[in-house]
Formats: sequence, structure tokens, C-alpha cells
Amino acid sequence: DIQMTQFPSSLSASVGDRVTITCRASQSISSNLNWYQQKPGKGPKLLIHAASSLQSGVPSRFSGSGSGTDFTLTISSLQPEDFATYSCQQSYSTPYTFGQGTKLEIK
Amino acid sequence: QVQLVESGGGVVQPGRSLRLSCAASGFTFSSYGMHWVRQAPGKGLEWVALIWYDGRNEVYADSVRGRFTVSRDNSENTMYLQMNSLRADDTAVYYCARDARYGSATLNAEYFEHWGQGTLVTVSS
Repeated sequence: DIQMTQFPSSLSASVGDRVTITCRASQSISSNLNWYQQKPGKGPKLLIHAASSLQSGVPSRFSGSGSGTDFTLTISSLQPEDFATYSCQQSYSTPYTFGQGTKLEIK
Repeated sequence: QVQLVESGGGVVQPGRSLRLSCAASGFTFSSYGMHWVRQAPGKGLEWVALIWYDGRNEVYADSVRGRFTVSRDNSENTMYLQMNSLRADDTAVYYCARDARYGSATLNAEYFEHWGQGTLVTVSS
């Protein structure tokens, strides 16, 4: 199975900050990497697919980059509604696997 | 708009069975693959199973293969997860998600495009 490692596991930031979350795969997954946002008590929401493609309706302050084994999710200017948990997921091969999540908290 | 609603969760004893349902609306259900993904309390997301759009193929995580069965009724726009021989480590919120995929010369992309709100399964004596 492909292992996905995210860091940091938690992050404190302020409104307006630029934030970057990193995800590393245990083997090359090309660009088969997706990012999700999850708020307490809710199902995940797709933000980015295929490493860098912004899902329709997602604000442009979210962006993704990377290929192979190393990927990043960047939020250019944090908004109050962005405080949530973010997870990466590889779709290169089954079983599909997720990172352990990064909890983004208000400083 | 796309809507996925899970139901059927609850408290069940170890070794017993439970069936979850995922009711879909707002799209042509029979055209899409569907997934089950779970999240144990305080833990990350874990993919559980995939069923093809026509129900002819299923793929399972090792942790549930042989105990869980995914199925669908395209006439009822509903997907199911039959869970047998339940264990304490199956305790989780179970989400259904709609598959999306596309291909190009350089990439075959696949992702979970829409998710439900989840249903909680607690396995405890």
C-alpha cells in the first residue's frame, strides 16, 4: 500500500496568513493526489484534484502543486472559514490512502 | 444539486451485522462509481470499498475484505454496505462518496467529488 505522510499535523495561523501543508507519498504517484477540507461533524469537501486542479466553486486562494512523491497545498490568505482539517489522498492505486490530516487552528 | 444521505448506523455488538444505505439524488446515479470511506473517532480517513457504476465490479480494503459487501440498486439510486462480523475497530463514521474520473494523454485522474454527512457505527458490547 502507498503510505501518505502529511506535515505538520497541526498548525496555528492568523487570518490573512499564507499557509502551506505538505504531503509525501511513499512511492511516486505521478499527479494522482487530491486535497480535501473537513469541518467538525461534516463530510469532507474536495478542494484540489490531480495535484493542482482547483475544484469548481473553490476559492482561488487555494492552490496545489507537486508531482511524484512531494505535494503542497497552499492557502494564500487565510479566511475565518478556512480553519478546518485538511487531508491529502492518493488515487494512483487501490487501496486509496489518505494522509493523517492537518488541523489548521486560529492563532 | 448532488445529495448523498447515509443511514443505518447505530450501536451493535461485536460479531453482529449491520447494513448501511446511501441514498443519492441530483445526478444520474447509474453513471457513477461510488465509494465508502470511514473515519474512526479522532483518526484520519480510511477508504473502505468501491463499486463500479453498473455494480459489476467491487474493490475492498484489506481490513474489510471478506466481511463487508458493497452493492447498489440503480433503480432506487441507493448504495449499500453490508457489514458482517463487526469488530471494535470498525467503529467509525461511514461516508459515501461519488467517484469522478477523467483521463488525458499524461494523467488518469480520480477523486471523491461529493460526500455525504456520514452515519456513525459503534461496535461495542
